[in-house]
Amino acid sequence: EVQLVESGGGLVQPGGSLRLSCAASGFTFSGSWMHWVRQAPGKGLVWLSHINSDGSSTTYADSVRGRFTISRDNAKNTLYLQMNSLRAEDTAVYYCGRLNRHNSGDYWGQGTLVTVSS
Amino acid sequence: DIQMTQSPSSVSASVGDRVTITCRASQDISRWLAWYQQNPGKAPKLLIYAASTLQSGVPSRFSGSGSGTDFTLTIGSLQPEDFATYYCQQGNSFPWTFGQGTKVEIK
Repeated sequence: EVQLVESGGGLVQPGGSLRLSCAASGFTFSGSWMHWVRQAPGKGLVWLSHINSDGSSTTYADSVRGRFTISRDNAKNTLYLQMNSLRAEDTAVYYCGRLNRHNSGDYWGQGTLVTVSS
Repeated sequence: DIQMTQSPSSVSASVGDRVTITCRASQDISRWLAWYQQNPGKAPKLLIYAASTLQSGVPSRFSGSGSGTDFTLTIGSLQPEDFATYYCQQGNSFPWTFGQGTKVEIK
């Protein structure tokens, strides 16, 4: 069974940092592209970033480029999102997901809530 | 960036109704289009990818069509578990983008 479990969310002050983790199981993680998507309270889905299977290629939405970094450790079957210079508008539930070869998210984690507030 | 515009933003329907949601891309995305269903407090669920391919395990009352800039998600006969919010997403070019969502509500 495919499982994606996010962790690392919580309350952080504006300007602070947080690292999210996404532990994967039930599939060949090292062969899969992955992505992060977020959803602010009561709002829609926003795509943030993707990483290819070996971590050599990454892309970002304009809203997080230069502040967020996606990475992966294939030996640990874990995806990461390092978030720096956090702002109030980064408050959201953050989802990790596996991408199929049609650039669609076929499996998703349960989400982890990040709250940026003083 | 490619803008994805869904319509309507919300629709009220009854069990058994046929519901159609449209998604328009601001430029040609070929068939790089996915549809998701999301229930409150839950992660999105993939319904359709490559514009018209049904994800494994998704009921056949869901169907997708379109290519280029205009796409449609149809629910053939609405069931109680289908009342949710639906999103389209383009995977043609980075940054990938979602539509704003369509909420299917009980009439």
